[in-house]
Amino acid sequence: DTGVSQDPRHKITKRGQNVTFRCDPISEHNRLYWYRQTLGQGPEFLTYFQNEAQLEKSRLLSDRFSAERPKGSFSTLEIQRTEQGDSAMYLCASSLVVQADTIYFGEGSWLTVV
Amino acid sequence: GNSVTQMEGPVTLSEEAFLTINCTYTATGYPSLFWYVQYPGEGLQLLLKATKADDKGSNKGFEATYRKETTSFHLEKGSVQVSDSAVYFCALSDPFGKAAGNKLTFGGGTRVLVKP
Repeated sequence: DTGVSQDPRHKITKRGQNVTFRCDPISEHNRLYWYRQTLGQGPEFLTYFQNEAQLEKSRLLSDRFSAERPKGSFSTLEIQRTEQGDSAMYLCASSLVVQADTIYFGEGSWLTVV
Repeated sequence: GNSVTQMEGPVTLSEEAFLTINCTYTATGYPSLFWYVQYPGEGLQLLLKATKADDKGSNKGFEATYRKETTSFHLEKGSVQVSDSAVYFCALSDPFGKAAGNKLTFGGGTRVLVKP
């Protein structure tokens, strides 16, 4: 069990650029979640997948954000035309359907938009 | 909608002191309740959970009891150590969303600093 892995851990980008984050969940975990955490705040739910299907998206996920999990394993979160307000830590988490209340988080990907 | 309110920090304690972090929630239905901990530079780790009223979650000397009548889930530890310095998050799971039982709503976090 290698845990939830996220890449890159840190990203600095200029406003208007696109960025992509990758998440590798714990193997065999069929649920995968994305959360966003700003400084001094608790994480906020963005979206989640069960296998390759994206089952729910928060209203926080504007049309500049897109998430995919094409083969039901790793996932990507892309932010297009980044804005300074996108600066946050993006957390990925995974779980098994049969152990739905036990969710494992990755270490997060820090995004700074300058 | 669902919400979680927890006491603001930072909370500064001496080693071996008693720690309480208050957490109250608002939810429709009967959510599961959680405490997560975030150590410096690390991701969130599940500390403990309780899935129904009057359940007590416990782990690493920490305890919290699901109190439906007061909609609370206060975290306590009898004797803290320097290594307990971290940010603690109270959270609930959404009982009615499409991700029922999984989508987490977090409080704002409480930073705890334990001094030797």
